Amino acid sequence: KAGVTQTPRYLIKTRGQQVTLSCSPISGHRSVSWYQQTPGQGLQFLFEYFSETQRNKGNFPGRFSGRQFSNSRSEMNVSTLELGDSALYLCASSPSDRPMNTEAFFGQGTRLTVV
Amino acid sequence: AQKVTQAQTEISVVEKEDVTLDCVYETRDTTYYLFWYKQPPSGELVFLIRRNSFDEQNEISGRYSWNFQKSTSSFNFTITASQVVDSAVYFCALLNYGGSQGNLIFGKGTKLSVKP
Repeated sequence: KAGVTQTPRYLIKTRGQQVTLSCSPISGHRSVSWYQQTPGQGLQFLFEYFSETQRNKGNFPGRFSGRQFSNSRSEMNVSTLELGDSALYLCASSPSDRPMNTEAFFGQGTRLTVV
Repeated sequence: AQKVTQAQTEISVVEKEDVTLDCVYETRDTTYYLFWYKQPPSGELVFLIRRNSFDEQNEISGRYSWNFQKSTSSFNFTITASQVVDSAVYFCALLNYGGSQGNLIFGKGTKLSVKP
C-alpha cells in the first residue's frame, strides 16, 4: 500500500514568488491535513480537508490557501512568499476526519526554502 | 487553555541505555486523547500510540512503554535498551474529544540521539 506522497520534496523560491505543494493521500483516505514545521514555532496546523471541503483552518494569513480534489489529492498554495515561510510542510492523510478513531499517516514533507 | 509541554529539548544517550521522554499537558476537558509521534531524519511523522483519558493503564509495545498519569497530567514515553535507530524527534500531542485533525496540539518535540 503506497504511503502519503508529497511533491516536490525540496523547493527553493525567491521572496515574492508563489508556490504550490502537492499531497497524494493513501488510497481510500478522504481526510488530508497540512502542517508547517519550523524550528521556532514547531508544528503548526494549516488546513484540514475532508471530501473536498475545508473543515478547519489554522491561524495563518490569507496568503496560505489550499484545496482538495475529488480524488482526495490536495494542494496548498502560498502567494507572495516571505523569508519566514521557509519550513517543512507536512501533509497527513486519514480515512476519517476524527483522529481519535484512526491514526493519521504523514508524508515526508516538502522542504521549502525562501531566499 | 490547551497546551503540551515537552521540557526536554534534546537528549543524548548511549546505545542500550533506557531513556524517558517527558510530556505534560494542560486541558480543561475531561475527555481527551494523547498521542506520541516519531519523526526520523526522513521527515515523516510516524504514529506510535493513541490513549484516551479514561484509560490510565500503562502500555508496553516491545521496547516502548508509556506511563499515563492523570493526577500529574503527564504521558511519559520510555524506550528500553535504546538503539541507534531510535534517534529521532519525538512529539507528544493532545486532542480534545470531538476535535478534528486540526485540533491536535503538538509539543515542541524532544530530539533523541542514541550513540553507538
